[in-house]
Amino acid sequence: NAGVMQNPRHLVRRRGQEARLRCSPMKGHSHVYWYRQLPEEGLKFMVYLQKENIIDESGMPKERFSAEFPKEGPSILRIQQVVRGDSAAYFCASSPLGGRALRTDTQYFGPGTRLTVL
Amino acid sequence: AQKITQTQPGMFVQEKEAVTLDCTYDTSDQSYGLFWYKQPSSGEMIFLIYQGSYDEQNATEGRYSLNFQKARKSANLVISASQLGDSAMYFCASERGSQGNLIFGKGTKLSVKP
Repeated sequence: NAGVMQNPRHLVRRRGQEARLRCSPMKGHSHVYWYRQLPEEGLKFMVYLQKENIIDESGMPKERFSAEFPKEGPSILRIQQVVRGDSAAYFCASSPLGGRALRTDTQYFGPGTRLTVL
Repeated sequence: AQKITQTQPGMFVQEKEAVTLDCTYDTSDQSYGLFWYKQPSSGEMIFLIYQGSYDEQNATEGRYSLNFQKARKSANLVISASQLGDSAMYFCASERGSQGNLIFGKGTKLSVKP
């Protein structure tokens, strides 16, 4: 069973460009979470999605950031007009059930995408 | 608001010895879960161990065990017989509300000395 996949692993953008980060959850998982990790920090929750629905985007910056999880294909985190402060590692996690975490519903993380904004 | 506190920015341990990484949490939920993740220098997040608030026994997974003290709101990770490959950042996390998204502490950097 393949794990959570994220691509690209490394992404370099210039200020003002767009960044698209992709996440394919584990097989059988329909719940996706995105987190951001700034240097020397812990992970911070951004958004929680199920197929075709955004469930909780309370951690998403109000501007320039958007996320989707279409019926077919990976989840996409999109950052428009990137700035240097967007440089971070972006992690995707998936779980089979979502909601209240159970022993069998642990979130499994992808390897992350390291975004560098020049 | 939920909060995870890891008070040890860095820890050193001798190879083959045991080490305890501290974690305290603050939540008003009656039912909750606590997690530990390992992040080696390569950057991926590796799930280590989970403790449910109503689990009667402390969780164990191989060399990892969780010292769960509910009244003190602490969930310390114990690594027995440390190995050089245990050198990494360790993050404690709790789930937030009913959505399941995780709140992370700032982490502890563990260095295992040969």
